[in-house]
Amino acid sequence: GESVGLHLPTLSVQEGDNSIINCAYSNSASDYFIWYKQESGKGPQFIIDIRSNMDKRQGQRVTVLLNKTVKHLSLQIAATQPGDSAVYFCAEISYNQGGKLIFGQGTELSVKP
Amino acid sequence: GAVVSQHPSWVICKSGTSVKIECRSLDFQATTMFWYRQFPKQSLMLMATSNEGSKATYEQGVEKDKFLINHASLTLSTLTVTSAHPEDSSFYICSARTGRADEQYFGPGTRLTVT
Repeated sequence: GESVGLHLPTLSVQEGDNSIINCAYSNSASDYFIWYKQESGKGPQFIIDIRSNMDKRQGQRVTVLLNKTVKHLSLQIAATQPGDSAVYFCAEISYNQGGKLIFGQGTELSVKP
Repeated sequence: GAVVSQHPSWVICKSGTSVKIECRSLDFQATTMFWYRQFPKQSLMLMATSNEGSKATYEQGVEKDKFLINHASLTLSTLTVTSAHPEDSSFYICSARTGRADEQYFGPGTRLTVT
């Protein structure tokens, strides 16, 4: 949903473990969801997306799960690596709102070697 | 493909001056470009949406006379921060979208510091 200026929650994991990053979105009518990775001082980088008619999608080492009943999105990263350390944002698009991309709060992932 | 650039990557200006930030789609035509602002440790906040050849649509609370957006061509949008003040110091990020897909391609961002 729309960020209201809250500070980022953090998740710390050991290298090699799996990471799960959660996101609650605000608009039950959202049609399309995207996970982005943002490294310090850089723009967001696309990771994986999912449409509202799906509940799971897998990529390389990443899986996105969508639960429309509770408006919840999660990103699972398998075998987390130090290079995965970054801030992760979920974002939603609602076509009934002109297709604007609205970012969620974000989670800072820290991977310990 | 689908590369978006921003210029400058960082800028320092004095309070009261104006700063222009450029956003270019390098290898595709962007029918729509978006401008976001991001404060430290916070999420990206959409400021405005601009379509080529028409006026930008600003989000609630964003002053259109302070943040001037021009989308003069299918590959270039500019954001001008007028009469900048220290509270305008932020990371400004643009994104671009073609008319055929939902995905937006993000630029690397511009760090603005107003002294």
